[in-house]
Amino acid sequence: QKEVEQNSGPLSVPEGAIASLNCTYSDRVSQSFFWYRQYSGKSPELIMSIYSNGDKEDGRFTAQLNKASQYVSLLIRDSQPSDSATYLCAVNPSNQFYFGTGTSLTVIP
Amino acid sequence: DAGITQSPRHKVTETGTPVTLRCHQTENHRYMYWYRQDPGHGLRLIHYSYGVKDTDKGEVSDGYSVSRSKTEDFLLTLESATSSQTSVYFCAISEGKGGGTDTQYFGPGTRLTVL
Repeated sequence: QKEVEQNSGPLSVPEGAIASLNCTYSDRVSQSFFWYRQYSGKSPELIMSIYSNGDKEDGRFTAQLNKASQYVSLLIRDSQPSDSATYLCAVNPSNQFYFGTGTSLTVIP
Repeated sequence: DAGITQSPRHKVTETGTPVTLRCHQTENHRYMYWYRQDPGHGLRLIHYSYGVKDTDKGEVSDGYSVSRSKTEDFLLTLESATSSQTSVYFCAISEGKGGGTDTQYFGPGTRLTVL
């Protein structure tokens, strides 16, 4: 059973703060890891992918991967109200993708 | 944005009626997927396709069938809709290039209500 677990939240942070989102997965053969953002009533939108241990930065977003501990995290620096959304973690051990249930983030102005 | 469209975008139907949802892509990607998304359950895979006429089941395939006669189209059919199939349905695509680096892109979704 391939499982991806996320804290459902809600997570609230003040504007300008760092938001930290975490995800753990159970399948050790997973090679690819993704973070999607989903606004209410919209479809998931890819914001980050990471394949190697360590950090990957893209603008205000940093993904962190630790395969030994089987977790992947997403940091959002200088959080903005427009970052308020549900963030989905996904892993891809094969050509199927497995998603967590998402963490709801609210950025308070 | 990935060229993925879904039709219809909204549908209300009655229990026992057949329903077909269509996903159309312009990216010529090999893999296509159907998910449903329900509160508390996240995205759950219904069926996926890895080529024309090549399909396989996901974790929640009961009550659903799929067909893919062309690379660009992937159809999801509810043979006899039930209220438990009320959900938001998302189509997704990926290149299928292997190597564990594939990325999945989503269509806009179809909101289905079964009364």
